[in-house]
Amino acid sequence: GAGVSQSPSNKVTEKGKDVELRCDPISGHTALYWYRQSLGQGLEFLIYFQGNSAPDKSGLPSDRFSAERTGGSVSTLTIQRTQQEDSAVYLCASSPRRPGTGLYEQYFGPGTRLTVT
Amino acid sequence: AQSVSQHNHHVILSEAASLELGCNYSYGGTVNLFWYVQYPGQHLQLLLKYFSGDPLVKGIKGFEAEFIKSKFSFNLRKPSVQWSDTAEYFCAVRGTSNFGNEKLTFGTGTRLTIIP
Repeated sequence: GAGVSQSPSNKVTEKGKDVELRCDPISGHTALYWYRQSLGQGLEFLIYFQGNSAPDKSGLPSDRFSAERTGGSVSTLTIQRTQQEDSAVYLCASSPRRPGTGLYEQYFGPGTRLTVT
Repeated sequence: AQSVSQHNHHVILSEAASLELGCNYSYGGTVNLFWYVQYPGQHLQLLLKYFSGDPLVKGIKGFEAEFIKSKFSFNLRKPSVQWSDTAEYFCAVRGTSNFGNEKLTFGTGTRLTIIP
């Protein structure tokens, strides 16, 4: 079946501009995550959505970052007033929930490479 | 807070050599452990996972990993590597007491280069 999709695949923007990154999770997956992968570093957690619960925003690096998930499906990550240090690959992941255990693995999309000039 | 260390940043091996990539984690409770792989130009894929039970887990493409609780380790192994194993490998941990935030904490990755 279809995997997690993200758009755009590449985005170049000027410092100070706002950007929106989109994630379409696997159909039926209730959990959605955003991570950031900077050059030479591992993946850094940003935000987590689970069903209708309030999102966990504890990983967002500043108030310039926000995300929403409409209708429990598609999610948009918005970065306002972009800075050069925001340049990274932004990855989205989704996961199902195994009945009775709550255990599951995350499936990742291809990422959006953001370059702030 | 949980953390993951992958001490090998870049490993270069010849085909047919045996592989072991180190992964150590820091967390005070029960964990779920994962290895993900990212082949050149592709997205992250799950290689194998440990939730509970047998600490020796087998994944795709002949990979396996052993969870050693006393050493806080989850090293990845393969007895004979192939050129197609060239990729970046990420170890990740999730603390099970974090129910309500199922985030993964990743290591910085190990780049594996296989020489034909």
